[in-house]
Amino acid sequence: DAGVIQSPRHEVTEMGQEVTLRCKPISGHDYLFWYRQTMMRGLELLIYFNNNVPIDDSGMPEDRFSAKMPNASFSTLKIQPSEPRDSAVYFCASSSRLRTGGRETQYFGPGTRLLVL
Amino acid sequence: SQQGEEDPQALSIQEGENATMNCSYKTSINNLQWYRQNSGRGLVHLILIRSNEREKHSGRLRVTLDTSKKSSSLLITASRAADTASYFCATAIQGAQKLVFGQGTRLTINP
Repeated sequence: DAGVIQSPRHEVTEMGQEVTLRCKPISGHDYLFWYRQTMMRGLELLIYFNNNVPIDDSGMPEDRFSAKMPNASFSTLKIQPSEPRDSAVYFCASSSRLRTGGRETQYFGPGTRLLVL
Repeated sequence: SQQGEEDPQALSIQEGENATMNCSYKTSINNLQWYRQNSGRGLVHLILIRSNEREKHSGRLRVTLDTSKKSSSLLITASRAADTASYFCATAIQGAQKLVFGQGTRLTINP
């Protein structure tokens, strides 16, 4: 298994620009999670999907953030317009209710390091 | 505030010594998990302990859970330089599908 794949690994952009982060979960996993990690706030859950349907988006900070999962193998997190305070590492994780380890064990991607100037 | 709070925030020990990290939480849980994060990497699942379990072992890892005190500890025995990382506890709350992570303990193993 290739693991969770995220792209890009690094993104530097200017304030006001649109940023799109991408995630490919592990094949067969039915849950997908987006997290944001900063020194100040730690690891925060932004949103998660089950079978491509958003279940809980209460962690999405503002309307500038949106996430989609058009199919079981792809998800995007979009920030428009971006602001310097959005600078963080964004992780995608997936899990499976049926596979070994149960649905609660999450497998993380390598993250996207975002810097908004 | 965070569901899981780790203690200490940072720990530095000599190679070969044991490292103990603690985690406290606030609400009823289905299970508690520990993850490791190497610098610049994603989190990696280490071990899961269910709410009806009191102790679990995996290699050099030993996890305990005290639901009456809402606390857990992670013990790494015979530490190695490669154990240098941040360690996070995460709780799966009853009735929810998601995990809530603590702030982590930054462990440094000195050769």
